[in-house]
Amino acid sequence: DAKTTQPNSMESNEEEPVHLPCNHSTISGTDYIHWYRQLPSQGPEYVIHGLTSNVNNRMASLAIAEDRKSSTLILHRATLRDAAVYYCILRGGYNKLIFGAGTRLAVHP
Amino acid sequence: DGGITQSPKYLFRKEGQNVTLSCEQNLNHDAMYWYRQDPGQGLRLIYYSQIVNDFQKGDIAEGYSVSREKKESFPLTVTSAQKNPTAFYLCASRSTLFGPSGEQYFGPGTRLTVT
Repeated sequence: DAKTTQPNSMESNEEEPVHLPCNHSTISGTDYIHWYRQLPSQGPEYVIHGLTSNVNNRMASLAIAEDRKSSTLILHRATLRDAAVYYCILRGGYNKLIFGAGTRLAVHP
Repeated sequence: DGGITQSPKYLFRKEGQNVTLSCEQNLNHDAMYWYRQDPGQGLRLIYYSQIVNDFQKGDIAEGYSVSREKKESFPLTVTSAQKNPTAFYLCASRSTLFGPSGEQYFGPGTRLTVT
């Protein structure tokens, strides 16, 4: 399974944009890039996913590099409720998500 | 509402006892998963099942067992052979119709403490 690399932690101020980076240099052509987030003492929740093109949904945007070796999750206006651990995950097969340690995002009022 | 139910939220057991964690989903998903999470760490896959009456070991299956007799249910048994069973256990499910792009849904988790 291809691995991802994320910073351990990041900080943001409320109502500012946040860019969460992820490196995945060993990604294969069929791997989808998934992002999940986990609030304290809860199960992870889906945020967004993409393959090659940039993606937008009501929660966030996903910017994928042209060579697909990196991607960035963009929260356009951070709120206190966005404080969580964000996981960048590659999925190529039909089976499992491999979770790394993720990025712990702190949002300051 | 559709979703995944895990019960109980907190579970306490004595060392040497087997314990079974419940996971039920009403999303009509074929695939179900069990993960373990230790403090400050990411999730690790214990077992997964793509279809009823079939399941595969994940990365840390030793000391655990599962069954998949019904589509909506995927119970996990933590046996006495599991050396460090205290952890946060998460169940998940997904539809296999969308292949690798499909979203995975997680339950609220069960926090197991063994003393």
